[in-house]
Amino acid sequence: DAGVIQSPRHEVTEMGQEVTLRCKPISGHDYLFWYRQTMMRGLELLIYFNNNVPIDDSGMPEDRFSAKMPNASFSTLKIQPSEPRDSAVYFCASSLRASGSTDTQYFGPGTRLTVL
Amino acid sequence: ILNVEQSPQSLHVQEGDSTNFTCSFPSSNFYALHWYRWETAKSPEALFVMTLNGDEKKKGRISATLNTKEGYSYLYIKGSQPEDSATYLCAPSYNTDKLIFGTGTRLQVFP
Repeated sequence: DAGVIQSPRHEVTEMGQEVTLRCKPISGHDYLFWYRQTMMRGLELLIYFNNNVPIDDSGMPEDRFSAKMPNASFSTLKIQPSEPRDSAVYFCASSLRASGSTDTQYFGPGTRLTVL
Repeated sequence: ILNVEQSPQSLHVQEGDSTNFTCSFPSSNFYALHWYRWETAKSPEALFVMTLNGDEKKKGRISATLNTKEGYSYLYIKGSQPEDSATYLCAPSYNTDKLIFGTGTRLQVFP
């Protein structure tokens, strides 16, 4: 398997623009997680899905952030409108079962977002 | 909010030195403890998962122990090599599906 795939790898945009980040989880994995990494807060969970259904979005910072998983092989994280403080690396991860079990989360390469 | 603390924040050692660092976490409703290794410009990679009090896991020169009663885990690296340079993250899980990541210990091994 190719592992978790994320696109784009780098995104530079201007304040106010819409940004869409994409993720393809490992085939057969039931769980998909979106994380944001910043210097101040480290790796923080934004939202996660189980079998394409959003389970917990309490980490989504504001209504400007939304995430969807229309099928088992694709998820998007959208920021609209984007702001400079959204600049960070966004990671997608998937696991076979829940992390409450002993299953490992496999991380994608991340998308480095810069909002000017 | 669950508080996961890792210490030290950063560590600089010479090649060949052995080193260790700590992860502290709330012990109530604990389920499992994950350790990840995160090299610069790459994505986090899993090292260990531990669940039982007294668990000890080993992978080459890296080993980890777990104390679930007092809520801490130690990661040890024996004979550090430059390729061990990375940020080491711990992440406990509780009675939910989520991992709660610490801010990591950044290790730099100098030749």
